[in-house]
Amino acid sequence: DTEVTQTPKHLVMGMTNKKSLKCEQHMGHRAMYWYKQKAKKPPELMFVYSYEKLSINESVPSRFSPECPNSSLLNLHLHALQPEDSALYLCASSPQTAPSSYNSPLHFGNGTRLTVT
Amino acid sequence: TQLLEQSPQFLSIQEGENLTVYCNSSSVFSSLQWYRQEPGEGPVLLVTVVTGGEVKKLKRLTFQFGDARKDSSLHITAAQPGDTGLYLCAVRGSNTGKLIFGQGTTLQVKP
Repeated sequence: DTEVTQTPKHLVMGMTNKKSLKCEQHMGHRAMYWYKQKAKKPPELMFVYSYEKLSINESVPSRFSPECPNSSLLNLHLHALQPEDSALYLCASSPQTAPSSYNSPLHFGNGTRLTVT
Repeated sequence: TQLLEQSPQFLSIQEGENLTVYCNSSSVFSSLQWYRQEPGEGPVLLVTVVTGGEVKKLKRLTFQFGDARKDSSLHITAAQPGDTGLYLCAVRGSNTGKLIFGQGTTLQVKP
């Protein structure tokens, strides 16, 4: 079982809907990440939070809005998505983003499979 | 251009065969990680290699880090259907700590 929990596992939404993806970890990690993954492709980084502050936004469209309410939780708010946004959305965590922790792995959740109709 | 060039991108083999996946770059890295992602799950770390020339073994999987720390390989001996999945090499960006993945190798092992 993964130590990073993502809900829901599957989500189908229309282009006018507003929904949220949730991620939780209790490993005491201070860095949390959102990745987007298309079939048979590597994960693509979207956002990085370090100590609950947004540290990296990979030029993600504003229809994706991340939120880190506390060190254990990470949300991704979705609004007015397009069909091409359909993908697997992965959350991950690591002890921190500092160079001293570069050998530490990222711990991934099992993702939310999102379909936009 | 890709920071990490991974090959092959797709591989379909019979159970019992051996295979090697390569991860190459023109950059030098302090460490490199290999992940495996099974269908319906997130990537899971297999190994981190740190020292140039290092060889690590994980059951039937052998990982090697190049002497110059620019490339790495993953060799699987006597592949089994349970080895099926997406294999990803990854490195951390030097300033940002971002985890940057290679293109991935989709492996299918047929019984």
